[in-house]
Amino acid sequence: NAGVTQTPKFQVLKTGQSMTLQCAQDMNHNSMYWYRQDPGMGLRLIYYSASEGTTDKGEVPNGYNVSRLNKREFSLRLESAAPSQTSVYFCASIGTGLYEQYFGPGTRLTVT
Amino acid sequence: QKEVEQNSGPLSVPEGAIASLNCTYSDRGSQSFFWYRQYSGKSPELIMFIYSNGDKEDGRFTAQLNKASQYVSLLIRDSQPSDSATYLCAVNMRSSGSARQLTFGSGTQLTVLP
Repeated sequence: NAGVTQTPKFQVLKTGQSMTLQCAQDMNHNSMYWYRQDPGMGLRLIYYSASEGTTDKGEVPNGYNVSRLNKREFSLRLESAAPSQTSVYFCASIGTGLYEQYFGPGTRLTVT
Repeated sequence: QKEVEQNSGPLSVPEGAIASLNCTYSDRGSQSFFWYRQYSGKSPELIMFIYSNGDKEDGRFTAQLNKASQYVSLLIRDSQPSDSATYLCAVNMRSSGSARQLTFGSGTQLTVLP
């Protein structure tokens, strides 16, 4: 996971609580992504940012907001957590070529 | 119909055998195709990508693409127990909102038996 860091690694929330997942990359990539992965499923795109200052919805954006703070950092916020948001969240950054893809170590979130 | 489909497995092969993983996709205009390895509890790691029809080899891994039949496969030769992982296929689909969006399959779990 060299180059992409995520915090926290684990988190337990109660329904209705809010939290922000942090992601940072040091590879000077323009594109950053937030995915969620549920058991037995692939990655589903929540939001992405093609460049600093821009964000766009992915496949499953409901219940989430994002901020591209600068070129390095891309945060994901859950305003009012729900049990359906229990998942593993991965941040990724992609370089000039799509083959330059790196994922962070993931955040394991449980909402009770 | 899922946009990117993989057999979920589990697929078991003996050590030293060839493991064959398959993926089909729905968007005929898709341009680029990726294979990831994901160990249990870890993040995905890109191991192969292919853009053109035919085969692409990298060490023990070979990616095969057939755009006419809309499938992409990954062959792992001389399989080792350390290859035991879930393998995810992803496609850069023309129908996605951005040229940089990827659509993932649900993954195939591979076990290599010593």
